[in-house]
Amino acid sequence: EAQVTQNPRYLITVTGKKLTVTCSQNMNHEYMSWYRQDPGLGLRQIYYSMNVEVTDKGDVPEGYKVSRKEKRNFPLILESPSPNQTSLYFCASRSGSGGSTEAFFGQGTRLTVV
Amino acid sequence: AQKVTQAQTEISVVEKEDVTLDCVYETRDTTYYLFWYKQPPSGELVFLIRRNSFDEQNEISGRYSWNFQKSTSSFNFTITASQVVDSAVYFCALSGTFYGGATNKLIFGTGTLLAVQP
Repeated sequence: EAQVTQNPRYLITVTGKKLTVTCSQNMNHEYMSWYRQDPGLGLRQIYYSMNVEVTDKGDVPEGYKVSRKEKRNFPLILESPSPNQTSLYFCASRSGSGGSTEAFFGQGTRLTVV
Repeated sequence: AQKVTQAQTEISVVEKEDVTLDCVYETRDTTYYLFWYKQPPSGELVFLIRRNSFDEQNEISGRYSWNFQKSTSSFNFTITASQVVDSAVYFCALSGTFYGGATNKLIFGTGTLLAVQP
């Protein structure tokens, strides 16, 4: 079954404690992205990757890091989480380029930073 | 600039009513793609439809239909005979080719929360 798997689904952490949200897709897609969803703002792209070792900033990259060492995995790293990073996070993957294909989303990770 | 506007924040209807969710977009791309996603209370994002900018034909899928009008930059979504299971947040999204193609980014609207009362 084609899917994007994120872990964990729920996470409560304290300010400053490094954390990683994992994302894996089994569709051999080149493009992967991270989005955050906030009330009244919809979803906004944090980082994206066009292929292995190729990553770049999206619209709201501050406070986040990513890596793409393997095609299937695209972890999101918060080196020093702050309360304003409390949000619902989605990993997405798409095939091809040019924006024509649908994005497949993970189940979401609800992060609370206290 | 690329932008998607969903002016309706929340809509409440009674079961079996028809409901239309509005979506207006802005883009400088001549080739672009529009999407609708559904987010049920469980939180996942479910793909509903993709439409490219060269295809203005309306589409119907069961109780769902979409009306794409380039002249008004709108891509509205209608649910006929709504059901309680349609209760969700619905997002309209835009994906460009030239201006947004490199990032492969989806530009989302802020979403419309649809509540269908029994």
